[in-house]
Amino acid sequence: DTAVSQTPKYLVTQMGNDKSIKCEQNLGHDTMYWYKQDSKKFLKIMFSYNNKELIINETVPNRFSPKSPDKAHLNLHINSLELGDSAVYFCASSPLGTSPNEQYFGPGTRLTVT
Amino acid sequence: GNSVTQMEGPVTLSEEAFLTINCTYTATGYPSLFWYVQYPGEGLQLLLKATKADDKGSNKGFEATYRKETTSFHLEKGSVQVSDSAVYFCALIQAAGNKLTFGGGTRVLVKP
Repeated sequence: DTAVSQTPKYLVTQMGNDKSIKCEQNLGHDTMYWYKQDSKKFLKIMFSYNNKELIINETVPNRFSPKSPDKAHLNLHINSLELGDSAVYFCASSPLGTSPNEQYFGPGTRLTVT
Repeated sequence: GNSVTQMEGPVTLSEEAFLTINCTYTATGYPSLFWYVQYPGEGLQLLLKATKADDKGSNKGFEATYRKETTSFHLEKGSVQVSDSAVYFCALIQAAGNKLTFGGGTRVLVKP
């Protein structure tokens, strides 16, 4: 199936650990994103990459580092996890040059930091 | 900066009732407007969109009209079903931009 996929779906870890979330899209899109959804369902963009190049970097702690090995993948690495990092993280992608910029979301990764 | 405000939930309705979720926005120029839906345990799906003033987006019985004069994009459905229970997000993208700005989401619960 063509889609945006994320792994893992659930991630439970302890404070201070380092973890990664992977995202892949096989839609042929050029732009990928990471969003964070907090416990109150509020969604906010974190990063955006266009063809492996960082184009949006919101005010996010530098413990969060996105990595794009190729334009189909955008992984999110988080160092020194804190309780406040507990959230659902959504990856999304969109084709370049379309208007409006319609984004396709993955199923989310629920991160719980204990 | 851009912002989107939508009514807080939860909104609880009976099946076949009329649903309205209010959404207003603040943005410069002419943003594109979206409604996304998040079913329990799932990711976001685009429900409908509108790109210019007076455009009406529609899908699955839902409708929303881009009102520039009131900076609004209210979502409506004439007869809801239990399967419409979800969280609905209003969002905008600035023209030529690619950063979605979301409202806070409105949880809708439809009871049989």
